[in-house]
Amino acid sequence: GEDVEQSLFLSVREGDSSVINCTYTDSSSTYLYWYKQEPGAGLQLLTYIFSNMDMKQDQRLTVLLNKKDKHLSLRIADTQTGDSAIYFCAEEDYGGSQGNLIFGKGTKLSVKP
Amino acid sequence: DAGVIQSPRHEVTEMGQEVTLRCKPISGHDYLFWYRQTMMRGLELLIYFNNNVPIDDSGMPEDRFSAKMPNASFSTLKIQPSEPRDSAVYFCASSPAGAGYNEQFFGPGTRLTVL
Repeated sequence: GEDVEQSLFLSVREGDSSVINCTYTDSSSTYLYWYKQEPGAGLQLLTYIFSNMDMKQDQRLTVLLNKKDKHLSLRIADTQTGDSAIYFCAEEDYGGSQGNLIFGKGTKLSVKP
Repeated sequence: DAGVIQSPRHEVTEMGQEVTLRCKPISGHDYLFWYRQTMMRGLELLIYFNNNVPIDDSGMPEDRFSAKMPNASFSTLKIQPSEPRDSAVYFCASSPAGAGYNEQFFGPGTRLTVL
């Protein structure tokens, strides 16, 4: 079945770049997603990438997609303390019905001043 | 729109008691999801509905858990009887149907503590 894997923790210094990596299994996903969860809150869509793209940039965020290796990454430039959160990678679930997403366990990003 | 609304935000109960969590999805959204989040197991999908019909409940842990969606604007997740291992944050999310990317909108969650 589908599975999404990502490392659990990442610690960086303020001003550095953060790179969060993810591997997924379902090559039929049309879109791949990054969600952000701030402390005490629900998940919120941060960005997404269409599967026929290699890269998507949105201000400080850069998403890279390697379809051959089924590898997705999120780069945050000039990381700020406000970026401290849990970041979830997600793929679409076509093993079941449409509408569902398969989430990874989340990477907790800690930003040290 | 106020977003996905969940109640209560916090619930503390004793083992064996019945617990009912409530969710109001965003108006017009066709999909509704219930998730559970713990430190040990991360984010788990429990069940989801499409147009008020349960589509996949394979994530429901056991018969003590049940979920209903009597209409498009309301869903409940019930645990009876509750156990300490049910302690977690429970999220409800909704999503519109249709082509294009699939954004799920999450509620703020209900933090459940079973003593």
